[in-house]
Amino acid sequence: GAVVSQHPSWVICKSGTSVKIECRSLDFQATTMFWYRQFPKQSLMLMATSNEGSKATYEQGVEKDKFLINHASLTLSTLTVTSAHPEDSSFYICSASSTAVRSYEQYFGPGTRLTVT
Amino acid sequence: GENVEQHPSTLSVQEGDSAVIKCTYSDSASNYFPWYKQELGKGPQLIIDIRSNVGEKKDQRIAVTLNKTAKHFSLHITETQPEDSAVYFCAATPRRTGTASKLTFGTGTRLQVTL
Repeated sequence: GAVVSQHPSWVICKSGTSVKIECRSLDFQATTMFWYRQFPKQSLMLMATSNEGSKATYEQGVEKDKFLINHASLTLSTLTVTSAHPEDSSFYICSASSTAVRSYEQYFGPGTRLTVT
Repeated sequence: GENVEQHPSTLSVQEGDSAVIKCTYSDSASNYFPWYKQELGKGPQLIIDIRSNVGEKKDQRIAVTLNKTAKHFSLHITETQPEDSAVYFCAATPRRTGTASKLTFGTGTRLQVTL
């Protein structure tokens, strides 16, 4: 149980375009989803926290107008990178948490590798 | 906020030997400490966790110890195997019942198990 999927697993886009990444909890309802980015050989850095039906809470230094997060249902959250630039190339990982189960545990998705050319 | 330091950054051991990774945290309110294994190109996978009311937890070849007074916790892998090669991250969070808490991650340890 507690499976989280991400789509796509990798994406290449041109500079200036937008790209959407989906995060789904497959077998549980995720009251909270987290979005991270990870640069090569570095740790995970939290970008934002989203609760179903509410606006996302962004970490300091993360541009909310550039990284649009939508958590419209208890099983789906999306991250849209708007007007992408090469410096946005990174590994984006989501995690999901459920207060109905073990609220402190986060279940991670497999990640999405974004390359902006 | 919380700050988690992790050492070493790289660790090479021979197959069958033990590996130890250490982390320290700064926020005394932190009470949940998970460890994740991340293989290349994949998301982190929880391998073991410990809460602040427990000093040690073991699951087969993996164990975690926690010293709340010193604010440090460690991951111990015994009888290492080549498939243990990966990057390991520790994390800490002040877990509160009924809410999902943010994790603060350590910087990671790249473990290489050689034959």
